[in-house]
Amino acid sequence: EAGVAQSPRYKIIEKRQSVAFWCNPISGHATLYWYQQILGQGPKLLIQFQNNGVVDDSQLPKDRFSAERLKGVDSTLKIQPAKLEDSAVYLCASSRLAGGGRETQYFGPGTRLLVL
Amino acid sequence: QKEVEQNSGPLSVPEGAIASLNCTYSDRGSQSFFWYRQYSGKSPELIMFIYSNGDKEDGRFTAQLNKASQYVSLLIRDSQPSDSATYLCAAIRRVQGAQKLVFGQGTRLTINP
Repeated sequence: EAGVAQSPRYKIIEKRQSVAFWCNPISGHATLYWYQQILGQGPKLLIQFQNNGVVDDSQLPKDRFSAERLKGVDSTLKIQPAKLEDSAVYLCASSRLAGGGRETQYFGPGTRLLVL
Repeated sequence: QKEVEQNSGPLSVPEGAIASLNCTYSDRGSQSFFWYRQYSGKSPELIMFIYSNGDKEDGRFTAQLNKASQYVSLLIRDSQPSDSATYLCAAIRRVQGAQKLVFGQGTRLTINP
């Protein structure tokens, strides 16, 4: 079974530029998560999709971050415009279901973003 | 108060000894707890999950949960250099009928040969 795929793996941009990340979850997984992990900290949930609907985006800075999951499969996360403090690893994860409370989340390799 | 708290370490343990990692959580409604291991520059990978009070063993790993004290721990027996990593504790919170995984800041563990 293929794992969660993410691209690009690395991205360097200047502040105020835009950037987009792509995620392809494990086949059949209904729930997709985007996390931000700043160096030395645990991952922080930005947004959670169940199929193509948003379940939780309470910690997504909506003035600059947006995300979509068209057709309930792939997802993109966009930052526009980027700030220095957005430098982090952006992790995508997926799980089969979201309602049981005991579903294991599987993480992709992450995209390392550096904003200069 | 952070929802999930861990000692950031670093924790240094000699090879072959028992490594003990601790975690506390603030939301009494949390029911499920996970331990993830994250090697430097890699993504988190699940080691164990625990839902019930008491101990759960899997090979060299034992997870312990005490809901009354809101405390979760991970013991690693016969520690190996390959166990050197950051260990993330996470708790599940229900948000609008769906699960939300809340992570601690992680504990960096070093096993010294």
